[in-house]
Amino acid sequence: AQKVTQAQTEISVVEKEDVTLDCVYETRDTTYYLFWYKQPPSGELVFLIRRNSFDEQNEISGRYSWNFQKSTSSFNFTITASQVVDSAVYFCALRGFEGDKIIFGKGTRLHILP
Amino acid sequence: DTAVSQTPKYLVTQMGNDKSIKCEQNLGHDTMYWYKQDSKKFLKIMFSYNNKELIINETVPNRFSPKSPDKAHLNLHINSLELGDSAVYFCASSRRTPQETQYFGPGTRLLVL
Repeated sequence: AQKVTQAQTEISVVEKEDVTLDCVYETRDTTYYLFWYKQPPSGELVFLIRRNSFDEQNEISGRYSWNFQKSTSSFNFTITASQVVDSAVYFCALRGFEGDKIIFGKGTRLHILP
Repeated sequence: DTAVSQTPKYLVTQMGNDKSIKCEQNLGHDTMYWYKQDSKKFLKIMFSYNNKELIINETVPNRFSPKSPDKAHLNLHINSLELGDSAVYFCASSRRTPQETQYFGPGTRLLVL
């Protein structure tokens, strides 16, 4: 069975602080794909990143960075120098090689306080 | 040049009514999905179609019936609406290969009174 756990239900930080959103996954597939999506208060789901299981390089995109650690089955997301516009619900998701489904975590609601 | 579009954006209706939500994608994808997001923001897949063929059918009441007239469209019809159907319904599309990203529509907020 596949599972995605985002243990942090809600996080609040003050603007300009760094914040890390945790994601732990379970899968029996040797090849799989991990995703992060952002859902701002306006409600749409915005794709942020996809990571393949065979590519453990970390990725940085501006203030966003992702740390993929296969040994701990984690795919954590860090926002550096957070801004109020980063306030949103963030979802981590997993898709196995064999299936058609993406399994979503329950999301982490991030509040960036001015 | 919207990639995945849904209509309507908001839907308020009475219990017992029948309603439809439409979805269209212009990304050239061959697979489309319907997700339900409940009040706690939990996202769960309901259905998926690949080239008009149903490939995912989760445990969803049979009051929900998806229809795919072609690979660019996937509609969701709901009969005899119940209070518990109130949610946000998202359409998504992708290519079927596992590494492909799913892109989501803006969502339809359904409120059943």
